[in-house]
Amino acid sequence: GAGVSQSPSNKVTEKGKDVELRCDPISGHTALYWYRQSLGQGLEFLIYFQGNSAPDKSGLPSDRFSAERTGGSVSTLTIQRTQQEDSAVYLCASSFGLGGETQYFGPGTRLLVL
Amino acid sequence: RKEVEQDPGPFNVPEGATVAFNCTYSNSASQSFFWYRQDCRKEPKLLMSVYSSGNEDGRFTAQLNRASQYISLLIRDSKLSDSATYLCVVTLDTGGFKTIFGAGTRLFVKA
Repeated sequence: GAGVSQSPSNKVTEKGKDVELRCDPISGHTALYWYRQSLGQGLEFLIYFQGNSAPDKSGLPSDRFSAERTGGSVSTLTIQRTQQEDSAVYLCASSFGLGGETQYFGPGTRLLVL
Repeated sequence: RKEVEQDPGPFNVPEGATVAFNCTYSNSASQSFFWYRQDCRKEPKLLMSVYSSGNEDGRFTAQLNRASQYISLLIRDSKLSDSATYLCVVTLDTGGFKTIFGAGTRLFVKA
């Protein structure tokens, strides 16, 4: 079966523009996670969805970041008015249950803000 | 203090060596524990879950000490293909659900 997919794989944008990143989780996985990884750094937790709801949004770096999930499947992470410090790899993962299960990661979207 | 701390590394070891990674976590309410592996410019992949009773998978052994809030990973008879970054991961229920990754320890296995 297909794994987690993310699009685009790479995105170059200009400072101040909005970007939208997409994640398709593994079919049947109810939990979906977004992380950010800056060059040479560890993973930074952004947000987690259980179904379509996001119980914990505290990891979002600023109000320029938002995420939604519809139909319990696809999720989009939107960054408004991008800044150079937003440049990073954005990773999405999904897991079968509520938590404590294995998270399966997508290949990530490499975002570069010029 | 970081919520999950790991040995800074990098570790440079010869093939066949035994190497141990350590990790500590600060939140005593942490519920689940894992080791993930991340190859250069790739996504993380689960290496193994960590249980209080300890668990072994081939050359890999993981241990959890809840009293000391400490997790370890032991790799025996290391191979060139073990070269990667090893990430300690902790999950906790904050009313929502949160996963915290350590910064990772880089391992280089040399021929």
